[in-house]
Amino acid sequence: KQEVTQIPAALSVPEGENLVLNCSFTDSAIYNLQWFRQDPGKGLTSLLLIQSSQREQTSGRLNASLDKSSGRSTLYIAASQPGDSATYLCAVRGDSNYQLIWGAGTKLIIKP
Amino acid sequence: EAQVTQNPRYLITVTGKKLTVTCSQNMNHEYMSWYRQDPGLGLRQIYYSMNVEVTDKGDVPEGYKVSRKEKRNFPLILESPSPNQTSLYFCASSLAGGSYEQYFGPGTRLTVT
Repeated sequence: KQEVTQIPAALSVPEGENLVLNCSFTDSAIYNLQWFRQDPGKGLTSLLLIQSSQREQTSGRLNASLDKSSGRSTLYIAASQPGDSATYLCAVRGDSNYQLIWGAGTKLIIKP
Repeated sequence: EAQVTQNPRYLITVTGKKLTVTCSQNMNHEYMSWYRQDPGLGLRQIYYSMNVEVTDKGDVPEGYKVSRKEKRNFPLILESPSPNQTSLYFCASSLAGGSYEQYFGPGTRLTVT
């Protein structure tokens, strides 16, 4: 059964730093992997979607990579800003059904 | 504006009193699903629907019902709520299952006493 882990559970860094969030999964038979952002009192916002055939996706200051064989994905945030403070979730979709399996998230705080 | 809406946003109820949480999307999406989010457990899928009149169980369907009579609506029904169903609920939709991004509603915080 697929399990998705995000470490650390929380991270606090000064504004301006580059940072990496980690996501690992136990079953490499995935269809795609998606990174989301969750703000308090709001729903989830999709940040990046990486298909299983892709190695990375970029959107602005965000870059997500995928290494299926090692069961890992990273979300790189460049030049962090206080507005980046949120909980970041990764979710993996298996290639045999349409279910998303979720990590518990990393709560990111960017200090001004 | 393309969006997924949920109502109510907050609900406090008592054990055994039937309730419905509505979900609606205006993007003509075929795929819709319901999740619950609990601290330390991440999101878990309750039910999903590939299209009108097609619904399937997710990981934690016990105690919940859904229906998909129209493409835009996917209500979540708790026939007899219990305290262990206290949670944050999200509705989501996507163009289809599989490779498409999911769009989420703002969430419904449910407390069952």
